[in-house]
Amino acid sequence: GQNIDQPTEMTATEGAIVQINCTYQTSGFNGLFWYQQHAGEAPTFLSYNVLDGLEEKGRFSSFLSRSKGYSYLLLKELQMKDSASYLCAVRDPYTGTASKLTFGTGTRLQVTL
Amino acid sequence: EPEVTQTPSHQVTQMGQEVILRCVPISNHLYFYWYRQILGQKVEFLVSFYNNEISEKSEIFDDQFSVERPDGSNFTLKIRSTKLEDSAMYFCASRGDSSYEQYFGPGTRLTVT
Repeated sequence: GQNIDQPTEMTATEGAIVQINCTYQTSGFNGLFWYQQHAGEAPTFLSYNVLDGLEEKGRFSSFLSRSKGYSYLLLKELQMKDSASYLCAVRDPYTGTASKLTFGTGTRLQVTL
Repeated sequence: EPEVTQTPSHQVTQMGQEVILRCVPISNHLYFYWYRQILGQKVEFLVSFYNNEISEKSEIFDDQFSVERPDGSNFTLKIRSTKLEDSAMYFCASRGDSSYEQYFGPGTRLTVT
């Protein structure tokens, strides 16, 4: 099975940097995703890491350490519109090419002035 | 930009009734998924579908649930006899062959009374 842990809530100030952590314990690993979800809306893709290291995409970066079962999402130059839930999800390695995603509970980020 | 669409956006039904949730995946995608999210909880996998058959299903996806791809564009989720605990947001997702990113539709909010 998969166990994915994230902080429940975080607060940060507009213009600041915030790091959202995710740890996972799985019997196998085949990649980790970060999704953003605004209240009442669908998750939207932010990043995918399958190898160790940092992937940068504009204001958002995602880091993975497979040996530690650890990832983080880094958001820079925070804007009010970044207030949302951030979902960590692990891709199941055992279900063939269709590969379901297993999600953590999500971290609700509140950006304040 | 191509997107996954879902209808209806909100469905209210009485316990014991059948509901069909509809999805139109992105046109050249090959893998299709249903997830659900009970209010305030995490996104949970229900079923994946590839090559006109179910690839994997979760424990939630019991005999009351079924999926179908009746034509080249639609992907449906049927719940035969709804229960109160089926109330949730149901998300359809699809994926192409060239990346692991799953694209989510806007969701159908199902309320069972």
